[in-house]
Amino acid sequence: DAMVIQNPRYQVTQFGKPVTLSCSQTLNHNVMYWYQQKSSQAPKLLFHYYDKDFNNEADTPDNFQSRRPNTSFCFLDIRSPGLGDAAMYLCATSSPPGINEFFGPGTRLTVL
Amino acid sequence: TQLLEQSPQFLSIQEGENLTVYCNSSSVFSSLQWYRQEPGEGPVLLVTVVTGGEVKKLKRLTFQFGDARKDSSLHITAAQPGDTGLYLCAGARRSGGSNYKLTFGKGTLLTVNP
Repeated sequence: DAMVIQNPRYQVTQFGKPVTLSCSQTLNHNVMYWYQQKSSQAPKLLFHYYDKDFNNEADTPDNFQSRRPNTSFCFLDIRSPGLGDAAMYLCATSSPPGINEFFGPGTRLTVL
Repeated sequence: TQLLEQSPQFLSIQEGENLTVYCNSSSVFSSLQWYRQEPGEGPVLLVTVVTGGEVKKLKRLTFQFGDARKDSSLHITAAQPGDTGLYLCAGARRSGGSNYKLTFGKGTLLTVNP
């Protein structure tokens, strides 16, 4: 089945220790998104790729970086996680953009 | 900043009751999507509405897009405990070139009691 896969589902890291979250898709969609969702809040867009074209949200902290080596994979790097970065991180894809975003199951990040 | 006002924020009803969730904005969206999210999982797309005045039905769920494409509603008939979850509306707008971004409402946490 075509889908959006996120690994790991649960990630525990220490304060200040870099962490990478991964997302892969079998939908062959050209747009991939990373969202941060905190408890009882709506998802907040961090950045997105249209093919290789990277688009950063103005309020996304510099601590967050992303890589998209190919159509199928996208990574979220948090260089120095703080306690406030503990959240659910959601990857989504769409094609065409703006229509039918499909979300992965998310990675729950805990920062100790 | 685009705002999409979603109401109510919390809703607790008995099984068999009907309910409506609203999303309103002062801005026009090219499309509007409704999602349902369960705890610890990603949002699952329920429907996308694109045309002003469009009505879509998904079993007991009826989705409507306003004529001006600024608002939308989700109506659930005869709610069941399995409908419990966080319902999110999200409007899509062009953000430059061929890029689109979703603006999410804050969500409606629905609890259907047996």
